[in-house]
Amino acid sequence: GAGVSQSPRYKVTKRGQDVALRCDPISGHVSLYWYRQALGQGPEFLTYFNYEAQQDKSGLPNDRFSAERPKGSFSTLEIQRTEQRDSAMYRCASSIGTSGASNTGELFFGEGSRLTVL
Amino acid sequence: SQQGEEDPQALSIQEGENATMNCSYKTSINNLQWYRQNSGRGLVHLILIRSNEREKHSGRLRVTLDTSKKSSSLLITASRAADTASYFCATVPYNFNKFYFGSGTKLNVKP
Repeated sequence: GAGVSQSPRYKVTKRGQDVALRCDPISGHVSLYWYRQALGQGPEFLTYFNYEAQQDKSGLPNDRFSAERPKGSFSTLEIQRTEQRDSAMYRCASSIGTSGASNTGELFFGEGSRLTVL
Repeated sequence: SQQGEEDPQALSIQEGENATMNCSYKTSINNLQWYRQNSGRGLVHLILIRSNEREKHSGRLRVTLDTSKKSSSLLITASRAADTASYFCATVPYNFNKFYFGSGTKLNVKP
């Protein structure tokens, strides 16, 4: 399909292990966002990219979290030394990101990657 | 912290009734968007209203925006069981970063 794709859909890991979550945005979308969503809550901003440049990473909880988008296409969210509190649904979204009045910033979300840290 | 907050947190109605949910926010926005999420799935964009607009319609959806009160409402008319989902508002700043989502309104439409 042509939507936002995330992998893996489910990840179970032991505390202390590193994990990497991948997001493939809609082809041609300039902006890519990472959100985290706890059960029963709205998405919480983590970070976002325009092309390969990380524009804002203020939502990353601590320095165990990092993200990159090396070629301006797919992105990887990495969590080092995972802790149980990192368990959540991690969602990626992309948007056209072009400048001008036509840019409304509508986000297209993937199905998410559910991370469980034991 | 989240900038948009929805109210009520949960709403249960009968099929055919109208559903109204509200969103309040704190700072200036370029536009405000409403999204729907079906049981753990990805969020789907429903409708957008720009800061210079007061009301917008799309099918059975009607959204209003009052920038002086920093609030918006989403009305779903003639609800259907398939409308059962969580609804989130997202406030979009002028530089299009940090879309803020509220905690959502969980709508249950009983057949």
